[in-house]
Amino acid sequence: AQSVTQLDSHVSVSEGTPVLLRCNYSSSYSPSLFWYVQHPNKGLQLLLKYTSAATLVKGINGFEAEFKKSETSFHLTKPSAHMSDAAEYFCVVRGGPKLYGGSQGNLIFGKGTKLSVKP
Amino acid sequence: NAGVTQTPKFQVLKTGQSMTLQCAQDMNHEYMSWYRQDPGMGLRLIHYSVGAGITDQGEVPNGYNVSRSTTEDFPLRLLSAAPSQTSVYFCASSRTLGTSSYNEQFFGPGTRLTVL
Repeated sequence: AQSVTQLDSHVSVSEGTPVLLRCNYSSSYSPSLFWYVQHPNKGLQLLLKYTSAATLVKGINGFEAEFKKSETSFHLTKPSAHMSDAAEYFCVVRGGPKLYGGSQGNLIFGKGTKLSVKP
Repeated sequence: NAGVTQTPKFQVLKTGQSMTLQCAQDMNHEYMSWYRQDPGMGLRLIHYSVGAGITDQGEVPNGYNVSRSTTEDFPLRLLSAAPSQTSVYFCASSRTLGTSSYNEQFFGPGTRLTVL
């Protein structure tokens, strides 16, 4: 079965310092991976997606993520945090075929990482 | 183009009451789904649909019913609400549901439901 593990439930950084949000996935099928962001009391917005064309994926607002198959990781980074980055971030894998224990294309969410940014 | 809309935004129910959460999309998407979001749990799939007349269960379907009579609408019904159903509910849609598809799922703004 496929799963996603976000290694930190809460990350706190100072404004202007780098951001690292860690995500590991488990999949017996070639994964499609995503990062979504949810600002307080808002819906979800797609930050970036891994399409297998390149292992380093650039997203909106200066975020990027690197797909590392050998480490089964898809960590999210940003060189310099801004106050407006404070939000909850979700690492997501799209399920593969049920035959391989997948969720037949449905999204599987990690439990989320809350990012706090201190002035 | 309104995207994915959900009504109501907030709802308070008493245990045992029934209600329907509405979801509509105007993008002609085949795939629609319902998730619930609970603190520390991420989003969990309740039910999904790959087209009018076709629905299937997700990870946490108990206590919820769905139907899909049109492409645009995908209502979620709580037949007898329980406090354990207190949550934020999100509806989402995408062009298709395929294992090799990278279609973006668009999410509605959510419905915050409290069951007393």
